[in-house]
Amino acid sequence: AQSVAQPEDQVNVAEGNPLTVKCTYSVSGNPYLFWYVQYPNRGLQFLLKYITGDNLVKGSYGFEAEFNKSQTSFHLKKPSALVSDSALYFCAVRDVKTGGFKTIFGAGTRLFVKA
Amino acid sequence: DSGVTQTPKHLITATGQRVTLRCSPRSGDLSVYWYQQSLDQGLQFLIQYYNGEERAKGNILERFSAQQFPDLHSELNLSSLELGDSALYFCASSPWTGEAFFGQGTRLTVV
Repeated sequence: AQSVAQPEDQVNVAEGNPLTVKCTYSVSGNPYLFWYVQYPNRGLQFLLKYITGDNLVKGSYGFEAEFNKSQTSFHLKKPSALVSDSALYFCAVRDVKTGGFKTIFGAGTRLFVKA
Repeated sequence: DSGVTQTPKHLITATGQRVTLRCSPRSGDLSVYWYQQSLDQGLQFLIQYYNGEERAKGNILERFSAQQFPDLHSELNLSSLELGDSALYFCASSPWTGEAFFGQGTRLTVV
């Protein structure tokens, strides 16, 4: 069965510093991987995805993520954090081989960026 | 604006009652997903429809049901409501490329 783990409930970073939000996944086939962001009282917003191709994926708002097949990871990164990046971040995975259309989300990681 | 519309935004109802949540997907998206978000359970996948047919099922209770209509809008029916059903319910739609676009959610409070 497909699963996704976000090992950190919370990440704290100072504005201007690089940030990393971790995600690992488990699927039996090839994964589709996604990152979403949720601001308070809002729905989730799509940030970026990996389906195939270059392991480094660039997305919205200066975020990027690196797909690492051997470590089954898809960590979200940003070179320089902004206070406005403070939000709840979700990693998600779809197992194309067996899961078909089901997309499973991680528990979420709350990012705090301090000025 | 994601293009996905959910109504109502807020709903307060009593235990034992039944409610219907409505979702209009983005124009052109055939897939509709329903998720439940609560503080202690995170974002839980409930069910997914593609062009009117059920395609995937998650941890959806038997008291809950959903359907997708010919015009592609979807409804989530929650019956025999319990206090523990209080949560944010999100609908999302997706093109063939896989990323999901979420509505603003319906906040359900069962009292």
